[in-house]
Amino acid sequence: AQKITQTQPGMFVQEKEAVTLDCTYDTSDPSYGLFWYKQPSSGEMIFLIYQGSYDQQNATEGRYSLNFQKARKSANLVISASQLGDSAMYFCAMREVDPGNQFYFGTGTSLTVIP
Amino acid sequence: DAGVTQSPTHLIKTRGQHVTLRCSPISGHKSVSWYQQVLGQGPQFIFQYYEKEERGRGNFPDRFSARQFPNYSSELNVNALLLGDSALYLCASSLPQGVEEKLFFGSGTQLSVL
Repeated sequence: AQKITQTQPGMFVQEKEAVTLDCTYDTSDPSYGLFWYKQPSSGEMIFLIYQGSYDQQNATEGRYSLNFQKARKSANLVISASQLGDSAMYFCAMREVDPGNQFYFGTGTSLTVIP
Repeated sequence: DAGVTQSPTHLIKTRGQHVTLRCSPISGHKSVSWYQQVLGQGPQFIFQYYEKEERGRGNFPDRFSARQFPNYSSELNVNALLLGDSALYLCASSLPQGVEEKLFFGSGTQLSVL
């Protein structure tokens, strides 16, 4: 089974609007971390936001927020007030401590912000 | 402060050859991880090293090997290159923090195998 599933290969959003990028995960480990990364065309993966499995509150970082629904195993990224510079690939990822301290990435969502 | 640096940025090799990719972590970071990203896919975990010891290994053949040096820089070696090894190779450094451990990535090495 896939550890991280991103079902939206591509998304479009109007500039200044909000957009939600979907992510579901699969783990039996009670302790895990969820991450979102942005990858512009330059290739570098840029950390956006983190949510721990035991965190009670949804994480927020500026215009980014993570809608964490533990029972549904979903960790959707919400970008508010979209900007042209937000156009990029977005990857959801999960870290499990056991086994092997691995970091799993989804297949990504390509976001295009329309002026 | 300098981020994660990788060299070279681009590389072209032919099948059967060997390649070495290099990575320097963020100052103070003792852990380095390597990922392979094939076009259109998410990064796949290859190796993680911490304090010069292998801490994790992904599902890659023995043609892939890595090491970490006393200054925490790292090399990824790939022997007997195949066409399917063509990918963006990403290096990331981190501070051990359990599940909160965030990866900080370099810009990658784009490897093309002809």
